[in-house]
Amino acid sequence: AQSVTQLDSQVPVFEEAPVELRCNYSSSVSVYLFWYVQYPNQGLQLLLKYLSGSTLVKGINGFEAEFNKSQTSFHLRKPSVHISDTAEYFCAVSGVVTGGGNKLTFGTGTQLKVEL
Amino acid sequence: NAGVTQTPKFRVLKTGQSMTLLCAQDMNHEYMYWYRQDPGMGLRLIHYSVGEGTTAKGEVPDGYNVSRLKKQNFLLGLESAAPSQTSVYFCASSSRPSNTGELFFGEGSRLTVL
Repeated sequence: AQSVTQLDSQVPVFEEAPVELRCNYSSSVSVYLFWYVQYPNQGLQLLLKYLSGSTLVKGINGFEAEFNKSQTSFHLRKPSVHISDTAEYFCAVSGVVTGGGNKLTFGTGTQLKVEL
Repeated sequence: NAGVTQTPKFRVLKTGQSMTLLCAQDMNHEYMYWYRQDPGMGLRLIHYSVGEGTTAKGEVPDGYNVSRLKKQNFLLGLESAAPSQTSVYFCASSSRPSNTGELFFGEGSRLTVL
């Protein structure tokens, strides 16, 4: 079975400060990892993904994440946040499900609130 | 640039009533999904489809049915709505399996069951 844990349900931060949103996963097979962002009253959109290769992944809007296999983590970072980054962020892990096929498992989300 | 469109966006039902949510995508994607989003629980997969005429159960399929008669449409039905089905429902599509491909989401359908 696979699972994702987002350790913080809410993260308040001042504008132009750095931020890190934490994500830990568990899986018995090789994993693919994703971060999605959901702006208010909208659907989710892909921020970045790790499939293979370099463990440092760069995404849209200046975000990046680092895959750490030994710590089973995929934390999301941004060096300087903007008010427009206020949104909910979901970490997700993919893996094989019983009966074949693949499944994307989402974490419970972290609400990032950027304040002036 | 419609992408994934969900109708209706809001609906209020009484317990026991039935309804259908429609999802339409114009990207010619093979794979389509229905998720529900509840506070503190993230997104949970209800049903999915890997192509026209095929459907499969996700992790929370009970109380829901789906159909994929046309490649571009994926319908989610509630035969007898229950208050536990109050949620925000998201449809998504992808050109590749969800484990490697990017999912494109609709804007959501907020359902309240009284």
